[in-house]
Amino acid sequence: GAGVSQSPSNKVTEKGKDVELRCDPISGHTALYWYRQSLGQGLEFLIYFQGNSAPDKSGLPSDRFSAERTGGSVSTLTIQRTQQEDSAVYLCASSSRQGAPLGEPQHFGDGTRLSIL
Amino acid sequence: GDSVTQMEGPVTLSEEAFLTINCTYTATGYPSLFWYVQYPGEGLQLLLKATKADDKGSNKGFEATYRKETTSFHLEKGSVQVSDSAVYFCALMRMDSNYQLIWGAGTKLIIKP
Repeated sequence: GAGVSQSPSNKVTEKGKDVELRCDPISGHTALYWYRQSLGQGLEFLIYFQGNSAPDKSGLPSDRFSAERTGGSVSTLTIQRTQQEDSAVYLCASSSRQGAPLGEPQHFGDGTRLSIL
Repeated sequence: GDSVTQMEGPVTLSEEAFLTINCTYTATGYPSLFWYVQYPGEGLQLLLKATKADDKGSNKGFEATYRKETTSFHLEKGSVQVSDSAVYFCALMRMDSNYQLIWGAGTKLIIKP
């Protein structure tokens, strides 16, 4: 389909390892968001990319977290030296344009379930 | 800061019952409001939205009205089905910021046949 695609769907790794999570947004969408969903919690904003503008990194919880978006399309979220509290579902969303006065909705991928042992 | 508060779940109802899931918000300015749904084993999907006061969003028999005077966006459905069992999230988007969504914690809905 033409939805937001995330990989891997599940990732189990040992504490201290680095992980990379990938997001492929809907073609043509200029805005891309990363969120974290911990068990029983709402979604926590992590980072936002809009076109070629500098990303909004205000939600990243520590400097172990980073993200990039290459060519305005695919994005990778990297967590270095993972900790057990990083265990969560990481969700990616994209939307077609910023500034839409009608509140352009975000379209979500199925997420990556990350488990840190 | 901006925030969204939803009623705690799980909410358990019988099929054909009337549903209300409360959602209230705190925000400066005039946010857009959304309900998203997450069915078991699936990703988040937009259910409905409203972008200004007194707007009513509707989809799949669900409705929610943007009430600025009570800062609420309660989700309602007149007759629920087993297939409505899911987790429902209320969210707001500030239009004067970076367009991030501020989320409620989610309400799990269980419909029994």
